[in-house]
Parts: sequence; C-alpha cells; structure tokens
Amino acid sequence: DAGITQSPRHKVTETGTPVTLRCHQTENHRYMYWYRQDPGHGLRLIHYSYGVKDTDKGEVSDGYSVSRSKTEDFLLTLESATSSQTSVYFCAINAGTGDFNEQFFGPGTRLTVL
Amino acid sequence: SQQGEEDPQALSIQEGENATMNCSYKTSINNLQWYRQNSGRGLVHLILIRSNEREKHSGRLRVTLDTSKKSSSLLITASRAADTASYFCAAQQTGANNLFFGTGTRLTVIP
Repeated sequence: DAGITQSPRHKVTETGTPVTLRCHQTENHRYMYWYRQDPGHGLRLIHYSYGVKDTDKGEVSDGYSVSRSKTEDFLLTLESATSSQTSVYFCAINAGTGDFNEQFFGPGTRLTVL
Repeated sequence: SQQGEEDPQALSIQEGENATMNCSYKTSINNLQWYRQNSGRGLVHLILIRSNEREKHSGRLRVTLDTSKKSSSLLITASRAADTASYFCAAQQTGANNLFFGTGTRLTVIP
C-alpha cells in the first residue's frame, strides 16, 4: 500500500456524532486525497491537499472538512455524521512524475452511521 | 459529473479466456489509467496511457485509447482465477491534477 495507513479501519457511530478519519503516509508525497466509495458510484473525491495547510474541495465535499498540519497526515472530519455518510473511505497519494497523477491507495476505512 | 462510464458492469469468464472492459469519459484528458480492486482492499494502479498514445502493453494487459471517441479499453489475456476483481478506469483531465473514476467492472474468472 505504498506506505499509506488509515485509522480506524472500521467504525460504527451514531447520527450526529463527530468522526475523524486519519490517513498517514511515510514517503513525503505532496498530494493526498480522500475518496468515498459507494455501490453504483465508483470512487468520488471528497477533498484533497496539495501541501501542508493547502486543501481544496472535491466532487462531494458537503458535510466534510479536512486538515493537513503535517506532510504525513491528512485528516477527514465529519462534523455531525449522517446515515448518508455510511461508506468506505479511501485515502490516496499521488506518486506520479511530472503532470501525471498516479495514485496509490490506503486500505480503506469502513464507516457505518446508525 | 465528470465520471467515466464502464461497460460491462459485470463480466464472468472461464479461466484462460480473454476479458475486455470498456471505459468512456467526457472531457479532454492528459492520460487514462486503469486500477484494480480486490474485495475489501484499496485500489492498485495497473497501467497509464498518455493522451498521445493509442496502445500500451504491460504483461497480460493491453490498453487502447481513442481520444476521438473518448473511450478506452482494457484487455486481460489468458485470464486466471486470481484476476477476479473490480477494474476501474480513471481519467486525468487536461490541466487538472485530479482523477475522475468510472463506476467499475466486476470481473469473475471461473477456474
């Protein structure tokens, strides 16, 4: 998994509670991404980061925030979890060269919001 | 949405047969990539084809790209049971960094 870890790997929470997912990389890559994967939708980009404290929104950013205070860590926060945020969340890094974005993925976090 | 579309959604073949998956996308691209995902795991990068390339090979994988039709295909030759997985195309839009993923093809190779 190219030195990418995600924690927790599984989480069950209740509607309205805050949840933070962590992505950690060991190879000092500049770009990091958070996706969610749902049946019938493939992977959809939530937020991404292009450096420490530099982040931007993706396709499905509503209800999510991110932070990157260190190169190696990219945090995804659900301020008040809803059942529609039940999903599998993947973190990825860009390990490509030049203009080519070749991504390597973490193992995923399965989140269930009851 | 700028997501790609993949066809078929599911494919079941016998071991030793070839498997072909197709991907269509909507915008001009810098490159088109294919990824594989085993059940319960993250995606693994397989191959990248640049917008100025028409065909690329890697082992048993053959990828074609037709930018005039905004489509790509992935051919897996002499399939094995271990090839059973979901396969996703991902398009990197021209001038952008992000990838837009298709919805995937679920391949089952029967021993």
